[in-house]
Amino acid sequence: SSELTQDPAVSVALGQTVRITCQGDSLRSYYASWYQQKPGQAPVLVIYGKNNRPSGIPDRFSGSSSGNTASLTITGAQAEDEADYYCNSRDSSGHHLGFGGGTKVTVL
Amino acid sequence: QVQLQESGPGLVKPSETLSLSCTVSGGSISNYYWSWIRQPPGKGLEWIGYIYYSGSTNYNPSLKSRVTISVDTSKNQFSLKLSSVTAADTAVYYCAKLARPAWVFDYWGQGTLVTVSS
Repeated sequence: SSELTQDPAVSVALGQTVRITCQGDSLRSYYASWYQQKPGQAPVLVIYGKNNRPSGIPDRFSGSSSGNTASLTITGAQAEDEADYYCNSRDSSGHHLGFGGGTKVTVL
Repeated sequence: QVQLQESGPGLVKPSETLSLSCTVSGGSISNYYWSWIRQPPGKGLEWIGYIYYSGSTNYNPSLKSRVTISVDTSKNQFSLKLSSVTAADTAVYYCAKLARPAWVFDYWGQGTLVTVSS
């Protein structure tokens, strides 16, 4: 299964920029997708592919990738962005899926 | 707008089989991939497996020996069976639509908590 590594927690001041990273060998071959999860709710897809946002996701969310690292950037973080964020991708075989351990984002 | 709803027992005894269903509304189950994902309390997400509407499946290797995912296109439903459960299988179980070729979970159910306890 996919082995993706995320920092457990990060904090950002209101209105500032935060970058969340996801590392894994499979990311050299496959894009990561990113999910936002607020307490008691199901995850919501926020970024996928090279840098695609589903309808309804604010443009302050963006994605990028370099080598074995995928990143989710929130530019001008808002209080409502406080949540857990999970990356997801295929494993190196391309046949199975997996999630990173999640990053808790706190907006100060 | 596709909507998914999980259903099934909230309590399962150790060593028994966990069984859940996911009903898809607002669209047809045909021509798409469907998946199960779980989240133990206070922990991260774990992909369990997926099924194509035709019945072909793919499972997480760590759970493969205990998992069966099936589909019933006449009911617009797909199901999960997890055998020989232990307390470690206690989790919120989500069903989700898997969009390919991007391989992303674009629609999720609200999740259902299944507790394994005697």
